Amino acid sequence: GAGVSQSPSNKVTEKGKDVELRCDPISGHTALYWYRQSLGQGLEFLIYFQGNSAPDKSGLPSDRFSAERTGGSVSTLTIQRTQQEDSAVYLCASRLAGQPDSYGYTFGSGTRLTVV
Amino acid sequence: AQSVTQPDIHITVSEGASLELRCNYSYGATPYLFWYVQSPGQGLQLLLKYFSGDTLVQGIKGFEAEFKRSQSSFNLRKPSVHWSDAAEYFCAVALLRGSARQLTFGSGTQLTVLP
Repeated sequence: GAGVSQSPSNKVTEKGKDVELRCDPISGHTALYWYRQSLGQGLEFLIYFQGNSAPDKSGLPSDRFSAERTGGSVSTLTIQRTQQEDSAVYLCASRLAGQPDSYGYTFGSGTRLTVV
Repeated sequence: AQSVTQPDIHITVSEGASLELRCNYSYGATPYLFWYVQSPGQGLQLLLKYFSGDTLVQGIKGFEAEFKRSQSSFNLRKPSVHWSDAAEYFCAVALLRGSARQLTFGSGTQLTVLP
């Protein structure tokens, strides 16, 4: 597509439930990132996918968080047994890997997750 | 440690006034530096970026930034602010993690524009 698409744009869930957040990157972008933006905080790196390589999961805050990327395109971030501290905006970004100019990522509009 | 610092959490300027948002980085090698803007309810939009060459870079919406290696700074400037510039601004550096660079962001500066 023309941009990075994220769905849903807003999600309210009860504490303890699982949620899935979706990211559809720009067509042809091989690198995909998930970031978390908590209220009053900067952006926190969560996970990075590059092509068929093993993802860099070093930013995932706990084992309740996982992500997958199917067919090198769409990615899903799953949060199990959600907690109130998981409330944040989850941003996805993609870029065309391998070229220095592309290090400016394209971000989606994010999913605002509220855990009540 | 490798990091990005935005010393100003919140800045207020009057419309038409000049603007400078500060960004300092800590990185051993030549950094790849970026400024992003985030309007309420929106994702991040790239304003400008610096990789090498001319240390004064021009971006969209009339913004510019100057890379100063001696000061480890990459401050964002605009000569005359418009009300539509009210937003949150993030400085970022692309750091090498494993075999690829990833963006590390500052904590952001919220800009308020007074009429």
